[in-house]
Amino acid sequence: KAGVTQTPRYLIKTRGQQVTLSCSPISGHRSVSWYQQTPGQGLQFLFEYFSETQRNKGNFPGRFSGRQFSNSRSEMNVSTLELGDSALYLCASSFMTGGSYNEQFFGPGTRLTVL
Amino acid sequence: QKEVEQNSGPLSVPEGAIASLNCTYSDRGSQSFFWYRQYSGKSPELIMFIYSNGDKEDGRFTAQLNKASQYVSLLIRDSQPSDSATYLCAVISGSRLTFGEGTQLTVNP
Repeated sequence: KAGVTQTPRYLIKTRGQQVTLSCSPISGHRSVSWYQQTPGQGLQFLFEYFSETQRNKGNFPGRFSGRQFSNSRSEMNVSTLELGDSALYLCASSFMTGGSYNEQFFGPGTRLTVL
Repeated sequence: QKEVEQNSGPLSVPEGAIASLNCTYSDRGSQSFFWYRQYSGKSPELIMFIYSNGDKEDGRFTAQLNKASQYVSLLIRDSQPSDSATYLCAVISGSRLTFGEGTQLTVNP
């Protein structure tokens, strides 16, 4: 079974631009979560989608948004990029949402650099 | 208080030794606990999960959970240089997965 895939793997943008990242979950998984990882803050939860609905949202500004399609693929968008948005963006998929048994499997990540 | 805290690193052990990684969590209602391993430049990889009090063994890895004391640990027996990585503790808190900051482990040949 193929794992979680993310595109693009690397991205360089300038301040003020916007960016869209894509994530395809493991086949059969309906929950997709997004995380931001930086050396100083560690892994921080952005949001989770299940069946095209946002189920959870972390403490990030409204510039960070996402959506999920009927085939469970998900995209996240960051508008008006800031230097501090430079990070590794990780997508994780799981079979179900929330609950007690939410084993999440991560994709390879998208490394975003904002200049 | 952070939701999930891990013992400060970095942790260095000789090859063949037991590496002990600890994690405490603040939400007493947490039900599920996970250990992820992350090699430098790579994404986290799930290595263990535990839901019930006690020990769970998988090869050289043993996860231990004590809900009364709100801690979960990971023991790596016969540590190998290939175990050198950052280990992330993650807890289901509410309906989201919350990660600790990780403990960097180095196994010296």
